[in-house]
Amino acid sequence: EAQVTQNPRYLITVTGKKLTVTCSQNMNHEYMSWYRQDPGLGLRQIYYSMNVEVTDKGDVPEGYKVSRKEKRNFPLILESPSPNQTSLYFCASSFRAPTPYSPLHFGNGTRLTVT
Amino acid sequence: DQQVKQNSPSLSVQEGRISILNCDYTNSMFDYFLWYKKYPAEGPTFLISISSIKDKNEDGRFTVFLNKSAKHLSLHIVPSQPGDSAVYFCAASVSTGGFKTIFGAGTRLFVKA
Repeated sequence: EAQVTQNPRYLITVTGKKLTVTCSQNMNHEYMSWYRQDPGLGLRQIYYSMNVEVTDKGDVPEGYKVSRKEKRNFPLILESPSPNQTSLYFCASSFRAPTPYSPLHFGNGTRLTVT
Repeated sequence: DQQVKQNSPSLSVQEGRISILNCDYTNSMFDYFLWYKKYPAEGPTFLISISSIKDKNEDGRFTVFLNKSAKHLSLHIVPSQPGDSAVYFCAASVSTGGFKTIFGAGTRLFVKA
């Protein structure tokens, strides 16, 4: 089954403790992206990757890192999480850069709480 | 400053009637638009899209209308069904440069049986 898999689904951590949220897709998609969803703000893009070893900042990249060493994986790294990074995170992929003919496929989300 | 705005946080509609979800944008460079649907505990899923060269796109019960002069698009669902109850996100992007998709805040649709 074609899918985007994020792990973990839920994560509670403390301020400053490094964490990684994994994302993997099995559709051979070139484009991958991370979003965070906050009430009243919708989905805001954190980072995206056009292909292996090619990443770029989205609208809210501060406090996050990503890497794209393999086509299928796009982990999101929080080196020193803070409470304002408490949010619902989505990983997404598409065949090429998103277009009407290549829409985003989303994972089921990771709910992160930083205390 | 939100470039894509969905001003109605929620909408309640009777089963069988029309649902109209609205979206406004400010960036005239956007040249394609998409609607995504999201159920609780799931990620958004693609619903329908429209390119800026068109003013209407239809797929079954779902139709998206684009008014470029007003920088406004709308999603019509006819007839509405209880299974349509979800959060709907409007999204916009520029096909040249950036490759960013900008999402609105979403509208929660309730379809009452």
